Amino acid sequence: QVHLVESGGGVVQPGRSLRLACAASGFTFSNHGMHWVRQAPGKRPERVAVISYDGNNKDYTDSVKGRFTISRDNSKNTLYLQMNSLRAEDTAVYYCARDQIRVILGLFDYWGRGTLVTVSS
Amino acid sequence: DIVMTQSPDSLAVSLGERATINCKSSQSVLHSSNNKNYLAWYQQKPGQPPRLLIFWASTRESGVPDRFSGSGSGTDFTLTISSLQAGDVAVYYCQQYYSSPWRFGQGTKVEIK
Repeated sequence: QVHLVESGGGVVQPGRSLRLACAASGFTFSNHGMHWVRQAPGKRPERVAVISYDGNNKDYTDSVKGRFTISRDNSKNTLYLQMNSLRAEDTAVYYCARDQIRVILGLFDYWGRGTLVTVSS
Repeated sequence: DIVMTQSPDSLAVSLGERATINCKSSQSVLHSSNNKNYLAWYQQKPGQPPRLLIFWASTRESGVPDRFSGSGSGTDFTLTISSLQAGDVAVYYCQQYYSSPWRFGQGTKVEIK
């Protein structure tokens, strides 16, 4: 079955960087758009970044543009999120989520269990 | 951006009774090209990721019990749990995928009365 496992979270000081990874299994990774969705404590989920099935199209929420970079390695079935210039407001659980179809729809049909990122001095 | 607003913020329902959650979008999420509403519902239990329950406003995801149903069109939508079970205690979110950014509602917490 579909399995998404995030890693790379932790405690980091403001202004520093962190790289998240999401290992995918149980489906043909290269056939789906993929997303990073974050959720601050007690808040609603927020889609952070999306990448198309082939990596050629990417989009970001305004608050992370220029700081975060989404990428994927289809040969390794792995999704990445490079996060630079981290701010306190980036503190959240970061989920990797699969788009339901090959073309980006924005419908998240499978989610990983998430990795916690805490930005604090 | 399309803003999603849910009501109520929380509700307490007796076991076996009906729970109804409303979701309103700031603009229509009905696409004229295919007559589909780009609206989904998710369930999130404590310490777990969200789980997709309903998409296209009324299509149940595989494995979702039929006591969960979605309805509505345009800007007004409803998630109904026909007979609340103890395992349904969770926060429920609506989400539009009509246009990016694909925003979620603020969530509705469902508890047992």
